[in-house]
Formats: sequence, structure tokens, C-alpha cells
Amino acid sequence: SQQGEEDPQALSIQEGENATMNCSYKTSINNLQWYRQNSGRGLVHLILIRSNEREKHSGRLRVTLDTSKKSSSLLITASRAADTASYFCATGIKGSGNTGKLIFGQGTTLQVKP
Amino acid sequence: GAGVSQSPSNKVTEKGKDVELRCDPISGHTALYWYRQRLGQGLEFLIYFQGNSAPDKSGLPSDRFSAERTGESVSTLTIQRTQQEDSAVYLCASSFAGSSTEAFFGQGTRLTVV
Repeated sequence: SQQGEEDPQALSIQEGENATMNCSYKTSINNLQWYRQNSGRGLVHLILIRSNEREKHSGRLRVTLDTSKKSSSLLITASRAADTASYFCATGIKGSGNTGKLIFGQGTTLQVKP
Repeated sequence: GAGVSQSPSNKVTEKGKDVELRCDPISGHTALYWYRQRLGQGLEFLIYFQGNSAPDKSGLPSDRFSAERTGESVSTLTIQRTQQEDSAVYLCASSFAGSSTEAFFGQGTRLTVV
């Protein structure tokens, strides 16, 4: 079964507005990552937050992690039409040593209207 | 190569035939993942290779699916006796150190079983 659940499944906003996507997971993790997918093909990594971090920023992206609630959020500020894509959270599952497999959520489809 | 390469980009096959999908990871990446993505859905974990460790095959949906990896290089995903429900995009990703680091994705193979 898949690890992550994302909310909302779809989001439509106007250019300039902020977009917030949430991700919940079930098991212990090493880290949580967010990816973007255009046109149903390869994914691009956006940001990684480790289990001992609570917040991280990268440009217009802000990610929070609450390990007590097993949840994360991705905020995109001042959205642009080019941000239209599907966004996925992925959890790094604890495995042997410092590695482990990467499990993805179902994704949030974001549409930014110009 | 500069990125993860998958071949073929598209494959149309008749029900009951076997297919082989190929993934060339980024040189030096010890971890390699295969995922399946049905239209409009999230990424379904199939299999994970990490260095010389035994692969995590827990996501393979049936014994018709198998995968191999030669050392830390090329991987092939084989689907035997294809069924229509196998139609999907098959994505490969590699990373330097498992889920501790970001994963880089190929553009996927779109498989259509007719």
C-alpha cells in the first residue's frame, strides 16, 4: 500500500495567489521530499526536509514537517501560470543503514490561472 | 550520461506478449527505483535496488513482473504475458544514496497493451 496521502487532490487558483498542499504519511521516515510532474512524465525534485527539521525554504517554496502528526505541507507563494503541474510528496522509509526506499503519495494537481 | 535514460519511450504490445523495459541510471548512483503510474494516478512503487544488497521487491504486483540490475548500472523491468491492466507509464529513478538524497527520474516508458 502507498505511504502518503495528499490533500487536496486538485487545486485551482489565480496567478499571484498562494497554493498550499498537504501530505500525510503512516510510518517512520528519514525524510520527506516534494516533487513536481509536468505532463505525466518524469518528476523533478523540489525540496527535501529531514525528519529532525521543522521548516525549510527554497525560493518561493516553503515546506513544513510535523513528525508528531505525520504530516507535511508545501506552500508555493506568489504562484505563476508556469507552476501548473502535479505535485507529489515522497517519504524516505527507514531501511538498513542510512538508506531506504522512496514511497510517493497520490499527488495534488495544481492549476494556476493567468 | 547526463541523466536517467529509459527506453523505449513508447511501447505498444499485444496482450499475452512479453516486454522488456530498460533504464540507464546516472553514473555513480547506487540506488535505482522502478514505479508504475496509471493515467491520472500517483506513483506505485514496484522495486528498489541498493548497491549489492538484495532488492526490495515488495511492490511487484504479480509474478509476471521481474527486474534485474547489473551491478550499479543498467536495469531491466520485464513483464511477462502482458495484460491490458499493465498499460501505464513505467518510471525509473536513481539516487546517489537511496532515499537520503534526491531521486532523478527518467522520462518513462509508456506501455500500451492492446
